[in-house]
Amino acid sequence: DADVTQTPRNRITKTGKRIMLECSQTKGHDRMYWYRQDPGLGLRLIYYSFDVKDINKGEISDGYSVSRQAQAKFSLSLESAIPNQTALYFCATSDSGTSGVNEQYFGPGTRLTVT
Amino acid sequence: QKEVEQDPGPLSVPEGAIVSLNCTYSNSAFQYFMWYRQYSRKGPELLMYTYSSGNKEDGRFTAQVDKSSKYISLFIRDSQPSDSATYLCAMSTGNQFYFGTGTSLTVIP
Repeated sequence: DADVTQTPRNRITKTGKRIMLECSQTKGHDRMYWYRQDPGLGLRLIYYSFDVKDINKGEISDGYSVSRQAQAKFSLSLESAIPNQTALYFCATSDSGTSGVNEQYFGPGTRLTVT
Repeated sequence: QKEVEQDPGPLSVPEGAIVSLNCTYSNSAFQYFMWYRQYSRKGPELLMYTYSSGNKEDGRFTAQVDKSSKYISLFIRDSQPSDSATYLCAMSTGNQFYFGTGTSLTVIP
């Protein structure tokens, strides 16, 4: 089984709808991240969490919220989806106990389309 | 100005060629420099990382960092069709990561 899983893998929704993307990990890592990937813009950080009680805004947090339900679960919500939130969303994890680069492990991604 | 600049390509080379991928950056606080490989419809996976200026080699891959010029490179020797992917550079201050836009590479058999 994959170490970092994301559900759903694909989602089409309408403008104004609330949607939640979920991420689970079995790596035992304490740090979790949400990114979105857009053509020509690369990966951009939305939110990150260094432990269950820690939530931090990233580069592009407006229009998004997150919840860290447990060490292994980190969900991303779009309260009122808009078309420019159409993108590929990735969850990633890392271990603060690892010396050096703090390697991130990515999930397979969720392709979200807002019509 | 973006934190990290990367030529998006696309880059197309014949099998066996040497490939050079590059990124520039503006933030002097970056300490860690990474290269990720992303296959189509997959999440990025870490390929190599370096902490300081200089070269680091791993098989056919060499990562190079020049902090004075704020420039990093990834070289792929004897490129293979299986190397066809998008390569993303990434940099970190230790907490947040900043990614380049990715360079699409196709190695033609």
